[in-house]
Amino acid sequence: GQQVMQIPQYQHVQEGEDFTTYCNSSTTLSNIQWYKQRPGGHPVFLIQLVKSGEVKKQKRLTFQFGEAKKNSSLHITATQTTDVGTYFCAGSKNRDDKIIFGKGTRLHILP
Amino acid sequence: DVKVTQSSRYLVKRTGEKVFLECVQDMDHENMFWYRQDPGLGLRLIYFSYDVKMKEKGDIPEGYSVSREKKERFSLILESASTNQTSMYLCASRNVQGARRGYTFGSGTRLTVV
Repeated sequence: GQQVMQIPQYQHVQEGEDFTTYCNSSTTLSNIQWYKQRPGGHPVFLIQLVKSGEVKKQKRLTFQFGEAKKNSSLHITATQTTDVGTYFCAGSKNRDDKIIFGKGTRLHILP
Repeated sequence: DVKVTQSSRYLVKRTGEKVFLECVQDMDHENMFWYRQDPGLGLRLIYFSYDVKMKEKGDIPEGYSVSREKKERFSLILESASTNQTSMYLCASRNVQGARRGYTFGSGTRLTVV
C-alpha cells in the first residue's frame, strides 16, 4: 500500500541554526500537507502543496513539493524555541482521498 | 473559532469495559476521522466517515467500531477495552469544499486501560 516516509525521526539543533525534514512517498501524490504538533498538543495544519515543483513560504518556514510529486521538504531558517515540536507530512493519491501521515520528525532546540 | 471537541482529555477504564469516545465538530464538515497516536508509530487511522451513516475501516480497525448518526458527531467505541488500547486518541474533521482541505484535529483523549 501507499507509504509516506519521513526523515530524520529526531533532530536536535542549536537555537538559530536551520532545520530541514524530508518526506518521501512510494507513489505519486495529488497533494502534500504539513502539520505541526507541539509537545502535549495536537497536530495543527500548516499548509498544502498541490503543484509539481511548488514552493511556499510562511515567515521562516519554506515548503517544497518535488517535481515528480513524490517528495517534499520543510525547511526552517534560524530556528527559535517556539519551533519545538513534531512536524508531520501527509499525502494522498487522489484529491478527496484520506491522507497518509508520515511518522513525523521531532525537533528539539538547544538553547 | 472553528472547533473539534473531544469529550474527555483523560480517561481511565478497566479491561473488558465498553468505552465510548465522543467527537463533535461545529464546522459542518463532511469527513471525520479517528486516529490513535503512539510513540514511534505516528498517527494510525482507525476508522473514518465521509458522510452521515457512512463508515470505512482504516488501517487498524480491530477492536473498534464507530457511529455517525449526525453530521457533527463521530463516536469511537471500544467494544471490550484491552491494555493494548492504551493510547492517545485523536479525532479530526475535514471540509471537502474549498482549497485548504487540511484536517482540523481535536485536543485528544488519553485513554489508559488498566
